[in-house]
Amino acid sequence: KAGVTQTPRYLIKTRGQQVTLSCSPISGHRSVSWYQQTPGQGLQFLFEYFSETQRNKGNFPGRFSGRQFSNSRSEMNVSTLELGDSALYLCASSLNDPGNQPQHFGDGTRLSIL
Amino acid sequence: GNSVTQMEGPVTLSEEAFLTINCTYTATGYPSLFWYVQYPGEGLQLLLKATKADDKGSNKGFEATYRKETTSFHLEKGSVQVSDSAVYFCALSTYTGNQFYFGTGTSLTVIP
Repeated sequence: KAGVTQTPRYLIKTRGQQVTLSCSPISGHRSVSWYQQTPGQGLQFLFEYFSETQRNKGNFPGRFSGRQFSNSRSEMNVSTLELGDSALYLCASSLNDPGNQPQHFGDGTRLSIL
Repeated sequence: GNSVTQMEGPVTLSEEAFLTINCTYTATGYPSLFWYVQYPGEGLQLLLKATKADDKGSNKGFEATYRKETTSFHLEKGSVQVSDSAVYFCALSTYTGNQFYFGTGTSLTVIP
């Protein structure tokens, strides 16, 4: 069974640009969550999608957005990139509720802002 | 609000030493508690979980007990191996089950 796939693995952008990251969940999983991981802040919850609807959102500015497609694949978009957006972005999928079934994480997209 | 506090790292142990990584939480309602492990260059993997008070989660020799009275979920292993070197994250999920709160992670290095 294929795991959670995140693309691309590495990305380099400059300030002011925008970026789109992609996440393909495990087949049959309907919940997709996104996290930002930085050395200083640890893992911070961005948002969670289920059946194309955002169910929960963390405390991030509106520059961070996401969506989920009918096949459960998800994308997150960051506009007007800032230096502080440099981080590892992790996606996780679960069957329905990530708190009640195991979350399966991808290997992440490492975003570097120059 | 909801939050997780885990002990600062890094932690360095010799092989076969006893491991404890402390984790305490603040939560509304009745959270589920988790330990995740992250090996270098990889995403997180679920190590163990407990869904109610006094439950003990265990996996690969690691254990943690959900203590409601002390709001704790400390991770323990009796004899660590070099292959256990990784970053360990304590986490809780909300009552609704679809939002996670992670601790900042504790880096463990086991030396032969």
